[in-house]
Amino acid sequence: DVKVTQSSRYLVKRTGEKVFLECVQDMDHENMFWYRQDPGLGLRLIYFSYDVKMKEKGDIPEGYSVSREKKERFSLILESASTNQTSMYLCATRSGGVMNTEAFFGQGTRLTVV
Amino acid sequence: QQQVKQSPQSLIVQKGGIPIINCAYENTAFDYFPWYQQFPGKGPALLIAIRPDVSEKKEGRFTISFNKSAKQFSLHIMDSQPGDSATYFCAASKAGGGADGLTFGKGTHLIIQP
Repeated sequence: DVKVTQSSRYLVKRTGEKVFLECVQDMDHENMFWYRQDPGLGLRLIYFSYDVKMKEKGDIPEGYSVSREKKERFSLILESASTNQTSMYLCATRSGGVMNTEAFFGQGTRLTVV
Repeated sequence: QQQVKQSPQSLIVQKGGIPIINCAYENTAFDYFPWYQQFPGKGPALLIAIRPDVSEKKEGRFTISFNKSAKQFSLHIMDSQPGDSATYFCAASKAGGGADGLTFGKGTHLIIQP
């Protein structure tokens, strides 16, 4: 089974802190994604990566950055956390190739910024 | 601009009933349409997916109906059970393989009453 592991289930951070959310996958998938989930808004794509050291902006990249130094690990960085970044963050992976494939999600990190 | 519109936002159905969740999309470049199921405290998991070359797909009690000309697709759950209570997301993805992120609807919170 594909395993997508997010380093924390719950995080509480202070406004202005630099926050790192880590995601590790064990299925050798090329593509990794960060979404945030908010009630009534569904899942919105923040950033994605299709290869090591490559990154692409999603629909809501403002206030975030990412890092992918190794194929299995994709990190989301909040440079200066703000209260409007309080949310559920979900990491996902998809295999490469020309056909669309299933996305596998981690269990999520619920971040609260106070 | 919301590219995938999902309705209803919430739905309550008696056990054994057939909940129907509808989605509409705008981008004709989409060619992969999955449904994800999410239980509280878990990440979304793929339930069933369809490509636009077929009008219907069944997997167990779950059926996707797809209308390419109307740019709509729907999820039907036959003989619904309390264990089907969850949040359901429709999604869409463009051709080009797994490198592209999924665009999600806002979700439907489904409750199946015993």
